[in-house]
Amino acid sequence: DTGVSQNPRHKITKRGQNVTFRCDPISEHNRLYWYRQTLGQGPEFLTYFQNEAQLEKSRLLSDRFSAERPKGSFSTLEIQRTEQGDSAMYLCASSLINRAETQYFGPGTRLLVL
Amino acid sequence: EDQVTQSPEALRLQEGESSSLNCSYTVSGLRGLFWYRQDPGKGPEFLFTLYSAGEEKEKERLKATLTKKESFLHITAPKPEDSATYLCAAPPANQAGTALIFGKGTTLSVSS
Repeated sequence: DTGVSQNPRHKITKRGQNVTFRCDPISEHNRLYWYRQTLGQGPEFLTYFQNEAQLEKSRLLSDRFSAERPKGSFSTLEIQRTEQGDSAMYLCASSLINRAETQYFGPGTRLLVL
Repeated sequence: EDQVTQSPEALRLQEGESSSLNCSYTVSGLRGLFWYRQDPGKGPEFLFTLYSAGEEKEKERLKATLTKKESFLHITAPKPEDSATYLCAAPPANQAGTALIFGKGTTLSVSS
C-alpha cells in the first residue's frame, strides 16, 4: 500500500498527558499537511511542511501543539498537556509540490481525552 | 472572507433516485474546487478537481460540475454503497499551495 499512513489509529488519554502522532506520506510527495476534524465538521487546517520546513501554522495551533518533519519524510504531531477540547480526528495529507492542492489523506488518528 | 458552504447537510435517497449536492464558495481567484468522499471513521478520499467554470468530471455514478459561484455533485441512480459524507474544498485566495478550506459536508444515505 503506497498511500498515506498514520499511527496510532486510536488514542485514549487522560487530560494533562502528552500524546504524539505519526504520519508517513506518499513517498514522492514534498508537502505534508495536518488537519483536525470534529464531529459534523469538515477538516480544519493546522499546519503544513514543504520538505522539512514548516511553512505555515493556523491560529488553531496553540502553543501546546508542535509538529516536526525532521528529514522531510515522516512527520510527528505532539500535543502537550492535553485538554478535553483536543478530542478530535487528526488527519494527515500529502501532495506533490507542483500539484499542491490535490491532497491525499491518511486514515486519521482519533484522539479521545478523558 | 474565504468560505465554502455545502447544502443540504443531510440527504436521504432511495436506491436509483438521482439527486444533486451543492457547494457554494466565496473564494476570489479560485485555484480549484475539490470533492472528497469520507466514510465514517476514515480519512477523506479524493474524487475530483475542477479548475474552471463549465468544467465537468465523471466517475461511475458521480458527476461534478463547476460554475463561477458553485459546484454540484450529481449522483445518478445511487446505490447503498454510495452512502458517505461528501466534502468540497477550495484553497484560500492569495496563498499558494497551502490549506484547503472545507465545507461541513453533505451526509448521503441511500437505502435499498
